[in-house]
Amino acid sequence: SAVISQKPSRDICQRGTSLTIQCQVDSQVTMMFWYRQQPGQSLTLIATANQGSEATYESGFVIDKFPISRPNLTFSTLTVSNMSPEDSSIYLCSVDQFNYGYTFGSGTRLTVV
Amino acid sequence: AQSVTQLGSHVSVSEGALVLLRCNYSSSVPPYLFWYVQYPNQGLQLLLKYTTGATLVKGINGFEAEFKKSETSFHLTKPSAHMSDAAEYFCAVRASGGSYIPTFGRGTSLIVHP
Repeated sequence: SAVISQKPSRDICQRGTSLTIQCQVDSQVTMMFWYRQQPGQSLTLIATANQGSEATYESGFVIDKFPISRPNLTFSTLTVSNMSPEDSSIYLCSVDQFNYGYTFGSGTRLTVV
Repeated sequence: AQSVTQLGSHVSVSEGALVLLRCNYSSSVPPYLFWYVQYPNQGLQLLLKYTTGATLVKGINGFEAEFKKSETSFHLTKPSAHMSDAAEYFCAVRASGGSYIPTFGRGTSLIVHP
């Protein structure tokens, strides 16, 4: 199965600033997903990112707040913009590999102070 | 539309006891079903999956799950719990056609007592 390198693993940020999270996959994949996991909660899908097209956002998530780039088939970034303490969460990227299910990055633990 | 219900946010067992984590799903088309484990400060790791074929699926770390269409269930079991099994477990469903987006359950925290 694919291996995903997600960076940073954790960060503490000041409110009002932005953080960009990177995911690098060791093989080409069509679809990448970005999730938010709040403490003690399940995964909430933020958006689906396909290479060469704009990301598709789920209800409650907007591009201005969570801009996503997908420049090629092995890389994607998620930016959390103008952060507030409510954005404190774990952010996960994931890829769809039918034969192996969904593979996840190790997550980015974000704390906004 | 699809959804997943995991019964019990916490399950507590003794080491060596049977582990049973419950998952019920709803799906308008034949489902693909998954169980994932998440250890503290880590991402999700696939335990096992059902797509087609044999309804009893064996996964890693001694876990298995059985797809029961009549009961719309995909419960996860392990005959004998180890301390290292303590983690968060997520059940997920995806339609076999159309959308590739999975739906995850709320998760069940497995606690293993010595």
